[in-house]
Amino acid sequence: GQNIDQPTEMTATEGAIVQINCTYQTSGFNGLFWYQQHAGEAPTFLSYNVLDGLEEKGRFSSFLSRSKGYSYLLLKELQMKDSASYLCAVIDSNYQLIWGAGTKLIIKP
Amino acid sequence: GAVVSQHPSWVICKSGTSVKIECRSLDFQATTMFWYRQFPKQSLMLMATSNEGSKATYEQGVEKDKFLINHASLTLSTLTVTSAHPEDSSFYICSARRGDHEQYFGPGTRLTVT
Repeated sequence: GQNIDQPTEMTATEGAIVQINCTYQTSGFNGLFWYQQHAGEAPTFLSYNVLDGLEEKGRFSSFLSRSKGYSYLLLKELQMKDSASYLCAVIDSNYQLIWGAGTKLIIKP
Repeated sequence: GAVVSQHPSWVICKSGTSVKIECRSLDFQATTMFWYRQFPKQSLMLMATSNEGSKATYEQGVEKDKFLINHASLTLSTLTVTSAHPEDSSFYICSARRGDHEQYFGPGTRLTVT
């Protein structure tokens, strides 16, 4: 079966750095997304990785290792507004999105 | 970026009535659109995949006669919840695919059935 694992919940301090991990086992791989979702809202796109390595975009960076089936989302200089759920999703060989359950990130002052 | 809109953003209806939700890709053509539902504090659950000009593909456990999907054009897909019941109350989100992998989400529609 297809499976994506990410921690259920994480807590971090305002101004700090947090890394949210995602591991996947899917039938084929055509890319990995990270989305941010605030309560009661639809997900918003953060990043897309299809090649190994680190993609940096402002305070957010995303890393991918296809051989390990592993990705992480790195958030720097945390702000209170970063409190949200972070969803990892993989595109499989049929170009279907397989979703992780999401990681709820709690930022404390 | 690409923009996907949904209408209405929220709707309250009485049990037994039908509700139609529209999903539009505003600045690109989407050959494939997806419909999701999300219960509170749960992950997105794919309901169906909609391809322009053909019948939708429903996920296991989703009643195709209850959740009618029509993908009439490259920029519009509709989801109709027929004979709605309180257990159908949920957050319905559509997304539209651009190219091979880019997928953009609509803002969602909150349905409450009384």
